[in-house]
Amino acid sequence: DAGVIQSPRHEVTEMGQEVTLRCKPISGHNSLFWYRQTMMRGLELLIYFNNNVPIDDSGMPEDRFSAKMPNASFSTLKIQPSEPRDSAVYFCASSFSGGTGGANYGYTFGSGTRLTVV
Amino acid sequence: DAKTTQPTSMDCAEGRAANLPCNHSTISGNEYVYWYRQIHSQGPQYIIHGLKNNETNEMASLIITEDRKSSTLILPHATLRDTAVYYCIVSSHGSSNTGKLIFGQGTTLQVKP
Repeated sequence: DAGVIQSPRHEVTEMGQEVTLRCKPISGHNSLFWYRQTMMRGLELLIYFNNNVPIDDSGMPEDRFSAKMPNASFSTLKIQPSEPRDSAVYFCASSFSGGTGGANYGYTFGSGTRLTVV
Repeated sequence: DAKTTQPTSMDCAEGRAANLPCNHSTISGNEYVYWYRQIHSQGPQYIIHGLKNNETNEMASLIITEDRKSSTLILPHATLRDTAVYYCIVSSHGSSNTGKLIFGQGTTLQVKP
């Protein structure tokens, strides 16, 4: 298994441009999470999906941020328009959540996308 | 989800056991204790989790107190590659809850030669 795959690894863009981050979760996992990490705020949960349905997007900072999961093997996080304060490392993680009485069996994180908005 | 308290940093000599404490006094009955670590520039890595009983795997051991208000992660023979930030997280689970993980600031463990 190749693990959780994120692309691109690095992205440098100008303020005002649209940025799209991509994530391929581990096959068979039914939950997907987007996190953002900065020195000041640490790891923040932005949004998570269960069975491709957004469950909680309360961590999405502004309307400029949106996330989709069109199928079980792909998700995107879009920022439009981007701002310098969006510069951070964005991580995607997936897990299997085993229904009633089942514990979350641990998240597998991708290598992250380092976003720099200038 | 319950919050956790961890020391900001710890040192450990290479080859010795590293014992990382975590307080979670407001943990609920259905909440698990999870431990993750993050090595510089990498994504967080799952280590171990438990509910009531002590747990052990190839990476570490997890000791949970009987009242479940605190726990200790034990790395039995720390190596330089274990230098990382270690996160203790408590999380609920259930059919309508995916058990989201909320990361705190963690403990920075420095393993020294």
